[in-house]
Amino acid sequence: DAKTTQPPSMDCAEGRAANLPCNHSTISGNEYVYWYRQIHSQGPQYIIHGLKNNETNEMASLIITEDRKSSTLILPHATLRDTAVYYCIVRVSLPFSGGYQKVTFGTGTKLQVIP
Amino acid sequence: NAGVTQTPKFQVLKTGQSMTLQCAQDMNHNSMYWYRQDPGMGLRLIYYSASEGTTDKGEVPNGYNVSRLNKREFSLRLESAAPSQTSVYFCASSSGRGAGELFFGEGSRLTVL
Repeated sequence: DAKTTQPPSMDCAEGRAANLPCNHSTISGNEYVYWYRQIHSQGPQYIIHGLKNNETNEMASLIITEDRKSSTLILPHATLRDTAVYYCIVRVSLPFSGGYQKVTFGTGTKLQVIP
Repeated sequence: NAGVTQTPKFQVLKTGQSMTLQCAQDMNHNSMYWYRQDPGMGLRLIYYSASEGTTDKGEVPNGYNVSRLNKREFSLRLESAAPSQTSVYFCASSSGRGAGELFFGEGSRLTVL
């Protein structure tokens, strides 16, 4: 799996958009970009993933650059409950006929939402 | 559905004692994982299991053994606990196919004295 680089920490004002960057310059064509977050000491929670196109769901938006070497997770209106560590990982996609993936995490970005 | 269930949630051991952390998932997932997380650090992969009957080492397998008992259950055993194994342990599962995301348990907090 490709290595990712994230800033160790960021602050965001409550109600503003939080933009969390991730560099994955060695990403391969068959690797997806995933984002997870970990609130306090709970188990990590899946947020969103994408391959080439920008993606949006009820939690966040994911913007992937055209060359796929970096991406940005956007929380459109950050709340205090969004304070967490955010992990960006890349992983290989596999054929639906089967297979498995060893998934590794880095240290992530600690997002602090400020009142 | 319960998702991924880990037991116990808390455990205190003395150095040299053994114990097994249990993990079960009810999502019919093929792949299961054990991670550890030390204070202020990210998650490190201990062992993973691609499917029932197979296991493989991750980044930090020393001092641990695993068993994929069946498709639902994946246990992690510490044969002779050491203080360096004080950590929070997370079990996760995924369909293992395509772009399936990981689902995590709530964690097991282990202290070795």
